Amino acid sequence: AQSVTQLGSHVSVSEGALVLLRCNYSSSVPPYLFWYVQYPNQGLQLLLKYTTGATLVKGINGFEAEFKKSETSFHLTKPSAHMSDAAEYFCAVRVPYGNNRLAFGKGNQVVVIP
Amino acid sequence: NAGVTQTPKFRVLKTGQSMTLLCAQDMNHEYMYWYRQDPGMGLRLIHYSVGEGTTAKGEVPDGYNVSRLKKQNFLLGLESAAPSQTSVYFCASSSGTRLVATFGSGTRLTVV
Repeated sequence: AQSVTQLGSHVSVSEGALVLLRCNYSSSVPPYLFWYVQYPNQGLQLLLKYTTGATLVKGINGFEAEFKKSETSFHLTKPSAHMSDAAEYFCAVRVPYGNNRLAFGKGNQVVVIP
Repeated sequence: NAGVTQTPKFRVLKTGQSMTLLCAQDMNHEYMYWYRQDPGMGLRLIHYSVGEGTTAKGEVPDGYNVSRLKKQNFLLGLESAAPSQTSVYFCASSSGTRLVATFGSGTRLTVV
């Protein structure tokens, strides 16, 4: 079964500092991986995705993630946090042969400290 | 282009009452999904549909039923609401060719 692990439910980062959110997955086949962001009282919005090809993926709002097969990881980073980055972030893996179903991690609530 | 629209946005039910949540998408997507979001649990799949007239169970289907009579609509029903069903419910849709799911803005349901 596919699963996603996100450690640390709450992450505090100072404005201007590096944002690093860790995601590890298990998958029986080459994975398709996603990061979604949820702003308060809103639905989920795609930040970026990895399917095939280049392992460093750039997304919206200055975020990027790197797929590392040997580490089964897909960590999300942003060099400099902005107050508007305060949100909840979810890592997800596509379930193989699962009709595009996604398995989600438990999420990271990011707080940006001025 | 509305994307995925969920109604209602908020609802309070008494234990034992029934209700239906409506999800509508205007992107001609084949696949539709219902998730529930609970603090510290992420999103868990309740039911999903791969096309008009088809439905299938997800991770946490108990206590819920669904129907997909029209391609653009996916209904989630609670026949006898329980406090454990207090949650935020999200509908999503995706196409067979694109991998990205589009989410609605959610329905916050409280069962008292």
